[in-house]
Amino acid sequence: QQPVQSPQAVILREGEDAVINCSSSKALYSVHWYRQKHGEAPVFLMILLKGGEQKGHEKISASFNEKKQQSSLYLTASQLSYSGTYFCGPKRSGGYNKLIFGAGTRLAVHP
Amino acid sequence: DVKVTQSSRYLVKRTGEKVFLECVQDMDHENMFWYRQDPGLGLRLIYFSYDVKMKEKGDIPEGYSVSREKKERFSLILESASTNQTSMYLCASSKGGTANTEAFFGQGTRLTVV
Repeated sequence: QQPVQSPQAVILREGEDAVINCSSSKALYSVHWYRQKHGEAPVFLMILLKGGEQKGHEKISASFNEKKQQSSLYLTASQLSYSGTYFCGPKRSGGYNKLIFGAGTRLAVHP
Repeated sequence: DVKVTQSSRYLVKRTGEKVFLECVQDMDHENMFWYRQDPGLGLRLIYFSYDVKMKEKGDIPEGYSVSREKKERFSLILESASTNQTSMYLCASSKGGTANTEAFFGQGTRLTVV
């Protein structure tokens, strides 16, 4: 039941771009994205809603394709602070609050 | 500052012991979650509660139970701890209903069962 994230890991130099993908086998209403830095709790990045509304981060963008049941997170001009593990959490409906995450994508940004 | 507080950062228990992991949130959230985090497996949902005394199983409920007697407190219970339950446990909370807002996480409890 976990969504599938790809790639599993990414290594970047500062300033490079990356895309993280999230796929679900079920119809989606929205997708949550979180980032967890080493030794810390996961922290909210953004929510993408059906219909295109996006709530959250200023410098990280994302897309949500409801028909394909997919979401992608776009990290452009990456900074050292972007390092961490990224998790997506698709949700099936507006009133369905169970939040199930993927296995995560580890991102390492080097100088 | 919003807070989800887990009672212990580190815990060592013996095989067969009954273990209680406590989580308290101060945001008046309806939803509370317990996850288990293991390397390469991400955040796996153990149990979810959407109201006092209401709960739903997650993906890996076997060997665990939960209790939610008050809105702010969600407890995870390992009835008889086993070594394969050694893991990091994370609690989270969020608004309920159709709010669809962010979840806030606690700092985690690293449980070792020996």
